Amino acid sequence: DAGVTQSPTHLIKTRGQHVTLRCSPISGHKSVSWYQQVLGQGPQFIFQYYEKEERGRGNFPDRFSARQFPNYSSELNVNALLLGDSALYLCASSLGGIAGELFFGEGSRLTVL
Amino acid sequence: TQLLEQSPQFLSIQEGENLTVYCNSSSVFSSLQWYRQEPGEGPVLLVTVVTGGEVKKLKRLTFQFGDARKDSSLHITAAQPGDTGLYLCADHNDYKLSFGAGTTVTVRA
Repeated sequence: DAGVTQSPTHLIKTRGQHVTLRCSPISGHKSVSWYQQVLGQGPQFIFQYYEKEERGRGNFPDRFSARQFPNYSSELNVNALLLGDSALYLCASSLGGIAGELFFGEGSRLTVL
Repeated sequence: TQLLEQSPQFLSIQEGENLTVYCNSSSVFSSLQWYRQEPGEGPVLLVTVVTGGEVKKLKRLTFQFGDARKDSSLHITAAQPGDTGLYLCADHNDYKLSFGAGTTVTVRA
């Protein structure tokens, strides 16, 4: 069975641009979470979606938004990119229960110039 | 806001040696998890511990959870190059994980 898949794997943007990152969860998983991992740090929680509803949001500005589709895949959008948005963006899926195990994808590496 | 501190930040050892990494929290863990992240990949769950004083073993890895549920250690016996990676501790609270900055472990052949 396929694990969590993310696209694109690498991308380069310039300041002020917009980016969309995509995630497909493990089959049967209804919850998707997004994390930002800056070089040298642990992942930081951005969003969690369950059954297309936002369950939680981390301490990120409104430039960050996300949504979950009926097939449980998800998109993370970031507007008005800043240099500090350069990071590895990780998607994780879970069955959806509270404290359920999270399975991470390989991430999308975003570089903002 | 919970703060997770991991030490040391970097650790480089020879194959066959033992190592221990530490994780300390400013508040009680809801559910402590340890992950390993290899370059170019996402974190992979190694273990979940919930009960204070709990010890779990996974082959050559031993995980200890402090009695007060605010600290933990990960001990690797006879390390192998395949143990190389970033070791992250995290508090799993309801719907989210709060991670420490991690310990980068390099095992030289």
